[in-house]
Order: sequence, then C-alpha cells, then structure tokens
Amino acid sequence: QSVLTQPPSVSEAPRQRVTISCSGSSSNVGNNAVNWYQQLPGKAPKLLIYYDDLLPSGVSDRFSGSKSGTSASLAISGLQSEDEADYYCAAWDDSLDGWVFGGGTKLTVL
Amino acid sequence: EVQLVDSGGGLVQPGGSLRLSCEASGFTFGSHAMSWVRQAPGKGLEWVSTITGSGAATFYAEYAKGRFSISRDNSKNTLYLRIDSLGAEDTATYFCARGQGRKDEFDFWGQGTLVTVSS
Repeated sequence: QSVLTQPPSVSEAPRQRVTISCSGSSSNVGNNAVNWYQQLPGKAPKLLIYYDDLLPSGVSDRFSGSKSGTSASLAISGLQSEDEADYYCAAWDDSLDGWVFGGGTKLTVL
Repeated sequence: EVQLVDSGGGLVQPGGSLRLSCEASGFTFGSHAMSWVRQAPGKGLEWVSTITGSGAATFYAEYAKGRFSISRDNSKNTLYLRIDSLGAEDTATYFCARGQGRKDEFDFWGQGTLVTVSS
C-alpha cells in the first residue's frame, strides 16, 4: 500500500488529453513539492514535472502538473503512442522524514 | 553530460551481503544529495535511502533501517549502498538518483542494477 494514491491505469485515444491523479496528506503533498516521473518499459525513470508544475529542460509542453491541497495531477495533452509508460508521483514526507511514491499509473494509448 | 552508472548487483544467497555502487560524472558530485530507489519485478518505485552532499546526514525508509547503509566517497565521485542479511523481498532493480538537496527532485537516474536473492 503506497503512501500516495494513484489510479493503477488510465487509457485514452491518440491526440486526446488524459489526467493522472495523486492523492496524499498534509505531511507530504500538502506541505512539499510534488514531482512526477515517467518510466518507459525497461528503462530508468525520468523526471517529468518538478515543484508541482515546472517542466525540466527538454520535456514536451504537452505535459503539465498542478496541485491543490493534498492532491496533485499530471495532465498529458495531444496523446501519442510514445507516451505509453508508467507514471509515478513522489513527494517528501515530513512525518516519515523520507520520500514517498505513488503506486504508479500505467498509461495506455488506445 | 551528467552520467550515473550503477553496478554491483547479481545473484546472492539469502542471508548474504552486497555493496552496490553508483559512479557519477559530468557534475560536481559533492554538491548534490544522492539517493537509492528500488523496484521489485513488476512493481512500483520504492525509496530506499538518501545521503546529503557532504555525507553528514543520511535518511532511510523504515524497512531499510538496520540492514541498509548508504555512504559516499566524494573523492571518487561514487555512491554506495550496502545491504546485509538479504532476503527474497530485497530482489529488485536498484537505481541511484541525483537531487540538489535532500527534499529536491531526482533529476538524473542511473540505469539500475538488478539484485536477485535466491538459493
């Protein structure tokens, strides 16, 4: 059971928009930055969004992040087949004094 | 170019020990916190441990306290993770990851090294 809650899977058609939610608590999402990682099959994770809504250099602006209270979201617009991957949210937890991850969401582009 | 190269994984018998390494290049190693994150086969990401840039402070997931030890040698640009009393539950790919400070995002990741605990 992960500290941060994500839906196990989402699916959408190409060129459409999808959102992935990440629910936490006041000790993690509510009080610290949320980061999102993309993990392509067989690859290492890659930073996708940091500090809730910032894009690292080189990441497509089709990806966006937002946060409200103890919940965060990742949105992907203009879906492409290469977006099929696992997506994880993460945040520092002040009570645990460590990082917590969501269980991951598998995105399928229909 | 930032590079993190993980090594040291392999097949280990239950109860054994292992030391994983992460060799860094392309940045000032001692200026960055470093972490280990693991992923059991078919499962999600799980944070293991973080060490500050100077090595003065370390942080562990609850399950990792006592059996896992993170360390670094800034003169060799290398991060380590020692795991003792290995059990089947430790079977996973272990990734090293770079942060700025301990609460900052993991902006670069190693390729991972697979640890398999089996007799």
